[in-house]
Amino acid sequence: SAVISQKPSRDICQRGTSLTIQCQVDSQVTMMFWYRQQPGQSLTLIATANQGSEATYESGFVIDKFPISRPNLTFSTLTVSNMSPEDSSIYLCSVPLQGSDSYGYTFGSGTRLTVV
Amino acid sequence: TQLLEQSPQFLSIQEGENLTVYCNSSSVFSSLQWYRQEPGEGPVLLVTVVTGGEVKKLKRLTFQFGDARKDSSLHITAAQPGDTGLYLCAGPRGTYKYIFGTGTRLKVLA
Repeated sequence: SAVISQKPSRDICQRGTSLTIQCQVDSQVTMMFWYRQQPGQSLTLIATANQGSEATYESGFVIDKFPISRPNLTFSTLTVSNMSPEDSSIYLCSVPLQGSDSYGYTFGSGTRLTVV
Repeated sequence: TQLLEQSPQFLSIQEGENLTVYCNSSSVFSSLQWYRQEPGEGPVLLVTVVTGGEVKKLKRLTFQFGDARKDSSLHITAAQPGDTGLYLCAGPRGTYKYIFGTGTRLKVLA
């Protein structure tokens, strides 16, 4: 399965600023996904990053707050804009497991964001 | 709206004990996955169950998919401290999209 490198692994940011998270995959993948995991909670899908087209956002998430870039088939970024303490979460990128009979995802190790 | 409810939410047990974690939904899923997430890491896929009634074993872990494909369970025999983590079930809700369960946080004490 694909190997994902995600950085930074953690950051502490001032409210009102923005942070860009990078996700690099060691193979070409059509779809990449960005998830948020709030403290003590499960995972919530933010958006699907598609190469060559705009990202598709889930209900409750908007492009102005979480702009996503997908310049090629191995790389994506998620920006958390105009941060507030409520944005403190773990942000994870993921890609589908490869193979016709494979289900589920491979995940990056996550970015732990604390907004103060 | 499809939901995956897990129980218990938290579990703290002694090394060597057995435990079962449940994942329930009112919706039918074509498959269910189980992940384990350790602190500072992303979730790692443990298993996928596809057929109703299916049972899969992974060393001391036994996974079962309900006959109606609305629920699943994870049973751990003789738990070890290395089993500590957040266990998540997940089911598909579209092409390559998954909904994740509410999570079960397990702590195994030595």
